[in-house]
Amino acid sequence: EVKLVESGGGLVRPGGSLRLSCVASGFSFGGFSMSWVRQAPGKGLQWVSSISRSSDYKAYAEALRGRFTISRDNTKKSLFLEMTGLRADDTAVYFCARDRPNSATTYFDQWGQGTLVTVTS
Amino acid sequence: SYVLTQPPSVSVAPGETATITCGAINIGDKSVHWYQQRPGLAPILVVYDQTARPSGIPERISGSNSGNTATLTISGVEAADEADYYCQVWHTTSDQRVFGGGTKLTVL
Repeated sequence: EVKLVESGGGLVRPGGSLRLSCVASGFSFGGFSMSWVRQAPGKGLQWVSSISRSSDYKAYAEALRGRFTISRDNTKKSLFLEMTGLRADDTAVYFCARDRPNSATTYFDQWGQGTLVTVTS
Repeated sequence: SYVLTQPPSVSVAPGETATITCGAINIGDKSVHWYQQRPGLAPILVVYDQTARPSGIPERISGSNSGNTATLTISGVEAADEADYYCQVWHTTSDQRVFGGGTKLTVL
């Protein structure tokens, strides 16, 4: 069974930083691209960032580029998201998702349950 | 940026057919994927590459895509289908994965 378990969410002050983690099991983690997707309270899904199997390709949502950094450790079957300069509008549930890219498209076939990040003073 | 437009809500009676649209310029040229999200839960993939269904997704859920509109069709709607549905594409020019705003399906 594929499992993605996120952690690291919590309360943080505006301007603060946070590092999210996602531990994978039930599949060959190093063989898949991975992504982060977030959902603000009562709002829709917003793609955040994606990383290739070997970390040689990283992509970010245009509005978030420069503040967020995606990384992974295949030996620990883990995906990370380093978030800096956090703002109130970064408040959201952050989902870890498995990517299925090909030459023409990419989609997310497995999702974790998410971790809540709340940015408030 | 590439914008995917979905109706905020769709309502159907049990047993009827629900049609959820996802509009964008020339979306027919792209592969469209659909996700279902029940309240309080993570999204799940229900259709990928326009028409394909992951294992476990019933045949009464189907997708199509042409011109400026992609469509998710749910036939024989059941109470368990009540959820938010999101379309998604990869906008290759900008290298952005884009979601539609979501459609809340209500089963009357």
